[in-house]
Amino acid sequence: GIQVEQSPPDLILQEGANSTLRCNFSDSVNNLQWFHQNPWGQLINLFYIPSGTKQNGRLSATTVATERYSLLYISSSQTTDSGVYFCAVDGFKTIFGAGTRLFVKA
Amino acid sequence: DSGVTQTPKHLITATGQRVTLRCSPRSGDLSVYWYQQSLDQGLQFLIQYYNGEERAKGNILERFSAQQFPDLHSELNLSSLELGDSALYFCASSVADAIGLNEKLFFGSGTQLSVL
Repeated sequence: GIQVEQSPPDLILQEGANSTLRCNFSDSVNNLQWFHQNPWGQLINLFYIPSGTKQNGRLSATTVATERYSLLYISSSQTTDSGVYFCAVDGFKTIFGAGTRLFVKA
Repeated sequence: DSGVTQTPKHLITATGQRVTLRCSPRSGDLSVYWYQQSLDQGLQFLIQYYNGEERAKGNILERFSAQQFPDLHSELNLSSLELGDSALYFCASSVADAIGLNEKLFFGSGTQLSVL
């Protein structure tokens, strides 16, 4: 099956810093999504991005399907950005990566 | 609020018991997915239903079963529970087309199952 690898596994930032999270996948996929799981456990869909670039406020994402990777950019990080960021890809069953655990310090 | 409703939010039960988790998808979504999240296994895909029919199966144990009803709500049944079944169980829904291409997933708030 498809393998999904996310890096880094853990990230600590000072409030206001920028960061880039990476997702590599091992095979062609039909779509790719980024999720944020907040400290209360809620999973929020950030981007549905099978290819190209999208932006939503301080967050943006880029997927290069031909090279099998996606990047999530967080700019001017805030404490509320803390949590786990998951990349999920779909060949037929949505498969999640192990996540990047982000902690933003005030 | 994602529009996906899961009940109950918390469930505490004993080994050997059987429980049923319920999920109502967003209005208009035909696909329902079940996921298990545990500390050591991460988010694991269990099963997907599309418009009442099983569409895809993941790492779902034989002790677990699911179904999607005509009104599109879904239930996940867990039987002969073991300590290791303790986890957060998520339901998600999407508007998926008939050949299984999945669109944006929307997750419920989950059911925290504790098996004692």
